[in-house]
Amino acid sequence: AQSVSQHNHHVILSEAASLELGCNYSYGGTVNLFWYVQYPGQHLQLLLKYFSGDPLVKGIKGFEAEFIKSKFSFNLRKPSVQWSDTAEYFCAVNPGSSNTGKLIFGQGTTLQVKP
Amino acid sequence: EPEVTQTPSHQVTQMGQEVILRCVPISNHLYFYWYRQILGQKVEFLVSFYNNEISEKSEIFDDQFSVERPDGSNFTLKIRSTKLEDSAMYFCASSLGTSGAKNIQYFGAGTRLSVL
Repeated sequence: AQSVSQHNHHVILSEAASLELGCNYSYGGTVNLFWYVQYPGQHLQLLLKYFSGDPLVKGIKGFEAEFIKSKFSFNLRKPSVQWSDTAEYFCAVNPGSSNTGKLIFGQGTTLQVKP
Repeated sequence: EPEVTQTPSHQVTQMGQEVILRCVPISNHLYFYWYRQILGQKVEFLVSFYNNEISEKSEIFDDQFSVERPDGSNFTLKIRSTKLEDSAMYFCASSLGTSGAKNIQYFGAGTRLSVL
């Protein structure tokens, strides 16, 4: 079945550690890719997005993600995390087959950064 | 920055009752969405809405669900006869369009629905 998978459900890091969160999807053809973040008690916010062009995209707060088409992946990275990055992170895909903009989400990764 | 607002933040209801969840999308947006997240599970697409009609709906969105844009600002989700399994966080989102940068969806803070 078509889906979006996030491999890490719960990640615990110390401040200044590097972060990589995996995201794979199973849709063929053109896709639009997103990472959203949800800080405790807040709404989903867009971290970054990929539509076309340079497969390495930069987002807010020092986050970046790389689209690797051959691996159907869109992994999120940050070289040095901060305590304030503690949040839940969601990968989402808009399949090209949908002309309505719907997003298919991964199950989310909870990131806990220890000070 | 403009934002999507949802009310109420928490709704408690008895099984079999009707509930209406309300959303005010960003004012110049044209596409509206409802998603839900059952505790511990994925955020799931329910329905998209454009030009006063449903443009796509998921298998979850059965006859118990309906959406409406009753005026120029509100976008509502109605559940006709709630079941225990409808307990979830419901998110509203809106966007300018459906492709490229226009498909950046802005989300509300959600309504937690608890069905007893």
